[in-house]
Amino acid sequence: GAVVSQHPSWVICKSGTSVKIECRSLDFQATTMFWYRQFPKQSLMLMATSNEGSKATYEQGVEKDKFLINHASLTLSTLTVTSAHPEDSSFYICSARDIQREYNEQFFGPGTRLTVL
Amino acid sequence: GQNIDQPTEMTATEGAIVQINCTYQTSGFNGLFWYQQHAGEAPTFLSYNVLDGLEEKGRFSSFLSRSKGYSYLLLKELQMKDSASYLCAGMDSNYQLIWGAGTKLIIKP
Repeated sequence: GAVVSQHPSWVICKSGTSVKIECRSLDFQATTMFWYRQFPKQSLMLMATSNEGSKATYEQGVEKDKFLINHASLTLSTLTVTSAHPEDSSFYICSARDIQREYNEQFFGPGTRLTVL
Repeated sequence: GQNIDQPTEMTATEGAIVQINCTYQTSGFNGLFWYQQHAGEAPTFLSYNVLDGLEEKGRFSSFLSRSKGYSYLLLKELQMKDSASYLCAGMDSNYQLIWGAGTKLIIKP
């Protein structure tokens, strides 16, 4: 149980285009999902916390107009990188918290590797 | 402020035991997590401690001392596949995870 999927696994796009990444909890309901970014050889950086049916909470320094987050259902959150630039190239990982579980641990999706040319 | 400290890199020998330490400072405390992350992959959950003491799960054990703000992950009978980064994360009063930078563990034959 507690499987999280992400789509796509990797994407290459031209500078200036927008990219949408989907995060789904497959066998549980996730009222809260998290979006992280990870640059090579660095730790996870929390970008935003996404709550179903409400606006996402963004971390300091993360542009909400550039990284659009929608959490329309209990099993799906999307991250749209708008007008992507080469510096946005990174590994984007989502996670979901299963509130039914004892530990409140986060289960991670497999990640999406974004390359902006 | 909130902070998680762990060593950047450690090296150990196949079959041996290694202990990865982590010290934490969080606003409130709702537990300490350890995750394993192989290169190019997402993290996977290893352990959770919220009470003082040792939690054993197969070859992996995790220890917590709340009074000292200290935890360690103990890996026994090391295998080559254990080569990975090990992330320590503290959960604060808002149930937010505060992540360490990770410890890269290199296993040598």
